[in-house]
Amino acid sequence: GQQLNQSPQSMFIQEGEDVSMNCTSSSIFNTWLWYKQDPGEGPVLLIALYKAGELTSNGRLTAQFGITRKDSFLNISASIPSDVGIYFCAGQLTFSSLPYGGSQGNLIFGKGTKLSVKP
Amino acid sequence: DGGITQSPKYLFRKEGQNVTLSCEQNLNHDAMYWYRQDPGQGLRLIYYSQIVNDFQKGDIAEGYSVSREKKESFPLTVTSAQKNPTAFYLCASSTALGYTGELFFGEGSRLTVL
Repeated sequence: GQQLNQSPQSMFIQEGEDVSMNCTSSSIFNTWLWYKQDPGEGPVLLIALYKAGELTSNGRLTAQFGITRKDSFLNISASIPSDVGIYFCAGQLTFSSLPYGGSQGNLIFGKGTKLSVKP
Repeated sequence: DGGITQSPKYLFRKEGQNVTLSCEQNLNHDAMYWYRQDPGQGLRLIYYSQIVNDFQKGDIAEGYSVSREKKESFPLTVTSAQKNPTAFYLCASSTALGYTGELFFGEGSRLTVL
C-alpha cells in the first residue's frame, strides 16, 4: 500500500532556530497537507497544498508541494516554545467518484515529526 | 462555537466488553471519519461516512462498527473482536462532495483495556 516517509522522526529545537521537515512517497499525490497535534489533542490543519510546485506560507510556516508530486516539506522559521508538538504530513490522491456525486480520496498520513524543546 | 465533540475523553474497558465512542459535529459537514492513533504511528483510518446512512470501511475496520443515522453523529463501537483496542481514537469531519483532505478533528478519546 501507499506509505509516506516522514523525517526526521523527532528533533529538539532551541527558541529562535529554524526547523525543517519533509515527507516523501513512492506514489504521486494531488494534495499535500500538514497538520500539528498538541499532546492529548486532535491534529489541526496548518497548510494545504493543491498544485505541484506550490509554495504556501502561514505566518512563520512555509510548505511546498514537490514538483514531482512525491514529496513536500515544511519549514518553521524563528521557532518559539509553542511550536512543540507532533507534525504530520498527509497526502491524497483522489481516485474514485461516488454514486451521489463528488469524489473521494484515500488520505495517507506520515508517522509524524515530534518537536521538543532542547533541555 | 462550531466544532467536533468526542466523548468520553478517557475510557477504561475490561477485556471482552464492547464500548461505544461518541462523536458529534455542528459544522454541517457531510463527511465524518474515525482514525486510530498508536504511539509513534501515523493516523490509520477505521471507517468513514460521506453521507447519512452510508459508511465505508477504512484500512483497519476489523473489530469496529459504526452507524450514521444523523448527519451530526458518527459513533464508533469497539467490539470484543478487536484484538488490541488500547489506543487514541480521533473523530474528524470534512465538507464532502469535493473531498479536499482538509479534516477537522475532535480532541480524541483514549481507550485503555484493562
